[in-house]
Amino acid sequence: AQSVTQLDSHVSVSEGTPVLLRCNYSSSYSPSLFWYVQHPNKGLQLLLKYTSAATLVKGINGFEAEFKKSETSFHLTKPSAHMSDAAEYFCVVTHGQNFVFGPGTRLSVLP
Amino acid sequence: DSGVTQTPKHLITATGQRVTLRCSPRSGDLSVYWYQQSLDQGLQFLIQYYNGEERAKGNILERFSAQQFPDLHSELNLSSLELGDSALYFCASSGLGQRNTEAFFGQGTRLTVV
Repeated sequence: AQSVTQLDSHVSVSEGTPVLLRCNYSSSYSPSLFWYVQHPNKGLQLLLKYTSAATLVKGINGFEAEFKKSETSFHLTKPSAHMSDAAEYFCVVTHGQNFVFGPGTRLSVLP
Repeated sequence: DSGVTQTPKHLITATGQRVTLRCSPRSGDLSVYWYQQSLDQGLQFLIQYYNGEERAKGNILERFSAQQFPDLHSELNLSSLELGDSALYFCASSGLGQRNTEAFFGQGTRLTVV
């Protein structure tokens, strides 16, 4: 069965510093992986997806993620955090015909 | 705008009542998913429909039911409501059948049970 672990429930960074949100997955299949972002009182928006093409995936708003099969990881990074990046981030793996969500990481950006 | 429409945006109702949440998927998407998001449980998958048929079931209570209609819109029915059912309910749609396609989420319905 598929599952997703997000190692940090809360990450706090200063504006202009790098962001790293960690995600590990388990999957019996060659997975499809996604990162979604949820701003307060909003729906979930797709940031990026991995679909077995390039292992380094670029998404919106300067985010990118690298798929590492040997480590079963799909960490999300951004070189320089912006105040508007403060939100909840979810790592997602597909499980057959369902999407399995990680518990989420809340990103705080300090001025 | 994701293209997924959920109504109503907010709903306040009393314990014991029944409510219906509605979802219109993106044009062309055959698959609809329902999720419940609460502070203590996080984002929980409830149920999935594909082209009118139930495809997968998650942590959905027996008091809850859903259906997908021929025009592909979906409804989630919540009955005998309890205070603990207060949550944000999301609908998502995807073009299942196209491998690796992502899910697009609506803005959610915030249900408050008082």
